[in-house]
Amino acid sequence: GQNIDQPTEMTATEGAIVQINCTYQTSGFNGLFWYQQHAGEAPTFLSYNVLDGLEEKGRFSSFLSRSKGYSYLLLKELQMKDSASYLCAVLDSNYQLIWGAGTKLIIKP
Amino acid sequence: DVKVTQSSRYLVKRTGEKVFLECVQDMDHENMFWYRQDPGLGLRLIYFSYDVKMKEKGDIPEGYSVSREKKERFSLILESASTNQTSMYLCASSQGAELYNEQFFGPGTRLTVL
Repeated sequence: GQNIDQPTEMTATEGAIVQINCTYQTSGFNGLFWYQQHAGEAPTFLSYNVLDGLEEKGRFSSFLSRSKGYSYLLLKELQMKDSASYLCAVLDSNYQLIWGAGTKLIIKP
Repeated sequence: DVKVTQSSRYLVKRTGEKVFLECVQDMDHENMFWYRQDPGLGLRLIYFSYDVKMKEKGDIPEGYSVSREKKERFSLILESASTNQTSMYLCASSQGAELYNEQFFGPGTRLTVL
């Protein structure tokens, strides 16, 4: 079966750095997405990785290792507004998106 | 500013009722999707459409149908609502034939079936 694993919840401190991990087992791979979803709101796109390595976009970076079936989202200089759920999703060989259950990130002052 | 809108934020229906959820996008996107989101589970695809009048079943189509008569509008229909269809329903759209393009989501409809 296809599976995406993420921690259910994480807590971090304002101004700090946090890494949210995502591991996947899917039938084929055509890229991995990270979305942010604030409570009661729509998910919004953060990043798309299809090649190995780190991609940086401001305070947010996303890393992919296809051989390990692993990705992480790195958030730097955390702000209170970063409190949200972070969803990992993999595009499989049929170009179907397989979604993880999401990681709820709680930022404390 | 890109926009996906859904007809209702909250909806309460009775078991057996026919329910229509409407989704409209103003980005001229080819692809539209209906998901449901339940606590502890990832988004699950119900149906998607890659063109007007075209539809494809997703992972959990049972109990649902869809309609796409116009490019900008994608409707989800619950023919006879049941309590296990109580959920958050999210509509999304994306551009072009490349399914790796980012999806833009609507705000969601929280449906309660009593």
